Amino acid sequence: AQSVAQPEDQVNVAEGNPLTVKCTYSVSGNPYLFWYVQYPNRGLQFLLKYITGDNLVKGSYGFEAEFNKSQTSFHLKKPSALVSDSALYFCAVRDAYNQGGKLIFGQGTELSVKP
Amino acid sequence: DADVTQTPRNRITKTGKRIMLECSQTKGHDRMYWYRQDPGLGLRLIYYSFDVKDINKGEISDGYSVSRQAQAKFSLSLESAIPNQTALYFCATSVGGGSQMTDTGELFFGEGSRLTVL
Repeated sequence: AQSVAQPEDQVNVAEGNPLTVKCTYSVSGNPYLFWYVQYPNRGLQFLLKYITGDNLVKGSYGFEAEFNKSQTSFHLKKPSALVSDSALYFCAVRDAYNQGGKLIFGQGTELSVKP
Repeated sequence: DADVTQTPRNRITKTGKRIMLECSQTKGHDRMYWYRQDPGLGLRLIYYSFDVKDINKGEISDGYSVSRQAQAKFSLSLESAIPNQTALYFCATSVGGGSQMTDTGELFFGEGSRLTVL
C-alpha cells in the first residue's frame, strides 16, 4: 500500500534562512512524487514533481526537492525563505506502474516564515 | 476563468439535509476526483472517476455519492448530511488515459467548497 509521512506539523523559519519541509514515502514500485502548496482559502497548487531522471527537481517560486531512493524521502527545500512562502505544504505519492493508482497525500506541514 | 470550478464555495446546512457540490472543468481531462480536507489529516479521497462510465470509491466514500454527468462535470452528494461531514471539499482532475508516461497522476485542483453541517 502507498503511504506518505510528513513528520512535522509545523516548520518555523526566519526570512532569508534556508527551509526544509520533510517527506518520506512508501510504495511497492517506483514512485511518482509531488509537492503541492495551499495558501489560505485557496485550492492546492502544484509546485514540483519527480517522475524519473535527475534526483534534484526544481519547481515554482524557487523551490526544489531531492529524491533519495535509499531513504525513501523527497524533502522540499528553498535556499532563502520569504514571508510569502508561509502556507500549508503537502507531499503526495503514487506508484508509477499502477495505472489504477491515485495520489496519496501526507497530512500537511504548516510553514511559517517570520520577518 | 478557473480551469476547475466548484460550486458552491461556501455552504451552511443542517443535519439531515441533502447537499450537492458541483464541479466542472475546462481542461479536457478524463479523470476527476473528490477529496476532503480536515485539519491534521491532509486530503482523503472520497470518489474518483476515470471516465463517464467509470466511478470508483475512495478511502472514505461512506455517506457520499457521486454522479459523472459528462466528461467535464462531476458532482458529489451528501444524501443526509451529518456534522462530521463538516470539511473543505476539493474537486481535482488529471489527464488519464494513454500510457503511463502521459498520466503521471498530477492533479489540478478547484478552489474548494467549504461545507458546514450544523
